[in-house]
Amino acid sequence: GAVVSQHPSRVICKSGTSVKIECRSLDFQATTMFWYRQFPKQSLMLMATSNEGSKATYEQGVEKDKFLINHASLTLSTLTVTSAHPEDSSFYICSATGAKNYGYTFGSGTRLTVV
Amino acid sequence: AQSVTQLDSQVPVFEEAPVELRCNYSSSVSVYLFWYVQYPNQGLQLLLKYLSGSTLVKGINGFEAEFNKSQTSFHLRKPSVHISDTAEYFCAVRPAGGTSYGKLTFGQGTILTVHP
Repeated sequence: GAVVSQHPSRVICKSGTSVKIECRSLDFQATTMFWYRQFPKQSLMLMATSNEGSKATYEQGVEKDKFLINHASLTLSTLTVTSAHPEDSSFYICSATGAKNYGYTFGSGTRLTVV
Repeated sequence: AQSVTQLDSQVPVFEEAPVELRCNYSSSVSVYLFWYVQYPNQGLQLLLKYLSGSTLVKGINGFEAEFNKSQTSFHLRKPSVHISDTAEYFCAVRPAGGTSYGKLTFGQGTILTVHP
């Protein structure tokens, strides 16, 4: 079945630095990638939607200059948290869908801790 | 716009007992419906989905769900749970038809805890 590989699974960074999270679709072409943020014991909050080769569409309230999304190929999307602060600590999850995939394959998530 | 309400935030149950996790949705258009399971510190795994056809949908791990359009519900059931079913379960919807990249709207999640 469809697989999305997300790395790293855990990252600890210092306040003020940037962190890049990668999501790769291993066996299908991900025409669309979704990036979510999940706070402890809460549901997933959609941050942005990206289509391959296009600029990402950000949800209201999400800072596009802070959360940089790149979807340069049909198999790779990246989320870069720039100038990270402790309040950016969270669980970030990507999800990919292909041309005929209504199942939204999810990555395994990245636990970001900013100290 | 769509909204999803999972009526129970936590459901404790004993092993081998049946379980039902409730999900109601609101939408002005037809929807596709999904149930996902999330284990600690992991992403979401698709349990089952309803796109069209038979309203009773069977998924992985012995789960099934029934789409009830009149009650706008999509409750998840399992006749006999195992310890390994302990996880958080999310109901989600998206508008039907159109492109494949419609946005999912998630419920708040239900934590299922199976006790021995």
